[in-house]
Amino acid sequence: EAGVAQSPRYKIIEKRQSVAFWCNPISGHATLYWYQQILGQGPKLLIQFQNNGVVDDSQLPKDRFSAERLKGVDSTLKIQPAKLEDSAVYLCASSLDYGQGIRTEAFFGQGTRLTVV
Amino acid sequence: GNSVTQMEGPVTLSEEAFLTINCTYTATGYPSLFWYVQYPGEGLQLLLKATKADDKGSNKGFEATYRKETTSFHLEKGSVQVSDSAVYFCALRINFGNEKLTFGTGTRLTIIP
Repeated sequence: EAGVAQSPRYKIIEKRQSVAFWCNPISGHATLYWYQQILGQGPKLLIQFQNNGVVDDSQLPKDRFSAERLKGVDSTLKIQPAKLEDSAVYLCASSLDYGQGIRTEAFFGQGTRLTVV
Repeated sequence: GNSVTQMEGPVTLSEEAFLTINCTYTATGYPSLFWYVQYPGEGLQLLLKATKADDKGSNKGFEATYRKETTSFHLEKGSVQVSDSAVYFCALRINFGNEKLTFGTGTRLTIIP
């Protein structure tokens, strides 16, 4: 079974530029997550989708970050404009929903390491 | 709110030593508990999990028991290997809801030959 695919693996941009990350979850997984992992910290949820609807985006800095999951499969996360403090690894994960609030554990992609200079 | 507190790192041990990484949690509901591992240059991988009190998760020689009375999920291994060098994250997720995974800050483990 293919895992969660993310691209690119690495990205270096200057501050105030824009950047986009792509994620393809495991086939059939309705729940998709984007996490931000700053060096030395645990991952922090940015946004959670259930199919193509947003379940939780309470920690997404909406003035500069946006995410979409058109058709309930692939997802993109965008930052515009980027700041130095956005340097982090951006992790995408997915989980299978059995219904009635029961889900499998989250399966993670390898992440995109973003460096803002 | 929900939170996870992990043992501060880094931790350095000799090969074949006994490992314990402490993890405690606070939760507003009834959580499942997880240990994820991140090897150098790789993404997070689930190491083990427990979904209810007194459950023991185990994998690759690692074990952790869900202790509701002490709100803990400590990771243990009887004899570590160099290949166990990685960052270990404790996490929780509230059952039966759309709750997110909440992670601890991670513990970097280095095993020396």
